[in-house]
Amino acid sequence: QSALTQPASVSGSPGQSITISCTGTSSDIGAFDFVSWYQHHPGKAPKLLIYDVSKSPSGTSNRFSGSKSGITASLTISGLQADDEGDYYCSSYTRTNTWVFGGGTVLTVL
Amino acid sequence: QLQLQESGPGLVNPSETLSLTCTVSGGSIHNSPYYWDWLRLSPGKGLEWVGSIYYTGSASYNPSLKSRVTMSVDTSKNQFALRLSSLIAADTAVYYCARGFYGYADFWGQGSQVTVSS
Repeated sequence: QSALTQPASVSGSPGQSITISCTGTSSDIGAFDFVSWYQHHPGKAPKLLIYDVSKSPSGTSNRFSGSKSGITASLTISGLQADDEGDYYCSSYTRTNTWVFGGGTVLTVL
Repeated sequence: QLQLQESGPGLVNPSETLSLTCTVSGGSIHNSPYYWDWLRLSPGKGLEWVGSIYYTGSASYNPSLKSRVTMSVDTSKNQFALRLSSLIAADTAVYYCARGFYGYADFWGQGSQVTVSS
């Protein structure tokens, strides 16, 4: 199975909005509404931000939102803050009952 | 609050087998709709799903690792385990155990650094 495709890096200024894309295939993102997004800071465990395309775990800031169109999912972060800086990964369940992740996107807050 | 804790060796020789255990507390691994997962994070590959196991012992594995991976569950101890054989340097990573459900993991352990080196 191939990894999902994410941009290697994105950047934005405090207060701005950014969007990270995640492109898969008809066998993963296009097959189910089982897309999730994670934030990772060095030395910590990844944190679930979004699941089932657009649902948020309790306690997650409403500045994070998810969507999907066809085989591409997106994570939007509004009102960028300094501590949003880090790595972001998308993931999808697949038709073969496995998971696949994107390669990760480094977010820099300018 | 559900908590997960990995345990295992930090350094393993190439060609040997890695054994990691995840202890679950604050909730039961049994009779749950959730799966119990292993994932790993490395600088070169990013985040990678290793496999998932249900409390019944039914498991699914990453196709790229399937020939080398075995997962097991011990409901009496509220633990699940990972064995990865024929280790190579590319298996060096931080290994996480987590609770999962159809492609997402909501509770994670703190992670266990595993280095494959002689």
